[in-house]
Amino acid sequence: GIQVEQSPPDLILQEGANSTLRCNFSDSVNNLQWFHQNPWGQLINLFYIPSGTKQNGRLSATTVATERYSLLYISSSQTTDSGVYFCAVSTHPGAGSYQLTFGKGTKLSVIP
Amino acid sequence: KAGVTQTPRYLIKTRGQQVTLSCSPISGHRSVSWYQQTPGQGLQFLFEYFSETQRNKGNFPGRFSGRQFSNSRSEMNVSTLELGDSALYLCASSLLSGSQPQHFGDGTRLSIL
Repeated sequence: GIQVEQSPPDLILQEGANSTLRCNFSDSVNNLQWFHQNPWGQLINLFYIPSGTKQNGRLSATTVATERYSLLYISSSQTTDSGVYFCAVSTHPGAGSYQLTFGKGTKLSVIP
Repeated sequence: KAGVTQTPRYLIKTRGQQVTLSCSPISGHRSVSWYQQTPGQGLQFLFEYFSETQRNKGNFPGRFSGRQFSNSRSEMNVSTLELGDSALYLCASSLLSGSQPQHFGDGTRLSIL
């Protein structure tokens, strides 16, 4: 099946700093989503971005489908950004087209 | 528009019992998927339903089963509970398929004693 690798696994930032999270995947995809899981376990949908670039406030994401990677940018980080960030993908029609495969996540800690 | 609703939020069971978890998708969404999250294995796909039919199943034993009703609400059942079944169970809904944005509920945290 498709492999999803996220880096770095852990990241500690000072409040106000910027960061870039990376997601590499091993096959072509028809869905790529970035999620933020807060300390209560809620999985918040940040971006649906199988290709291209999107921005939402301090967050932006870019997926280069031909090179099989996606980047999540967090600018001017805040303590509320702390949590685990997951990248998840689904593949083109065929086995696995109805499921998301998740990476292991990047645990972000923003300190005041 | 209401989000994905999962009930109950927390559940404590003992080994050997069975449990049923419920998921109500976003209105109009017809695809419902279930995922298990544990510290050791991360987020793993359990199964996906569309129009009351299971379209895909992950690599889990037959003790894990599910169903979907005509109103798209879904239930998953775990029989003969084991300690290793302790996990956060997440439900996601989308309009039609996995290629579309998946929206997750808050999860059911299941603890097995």
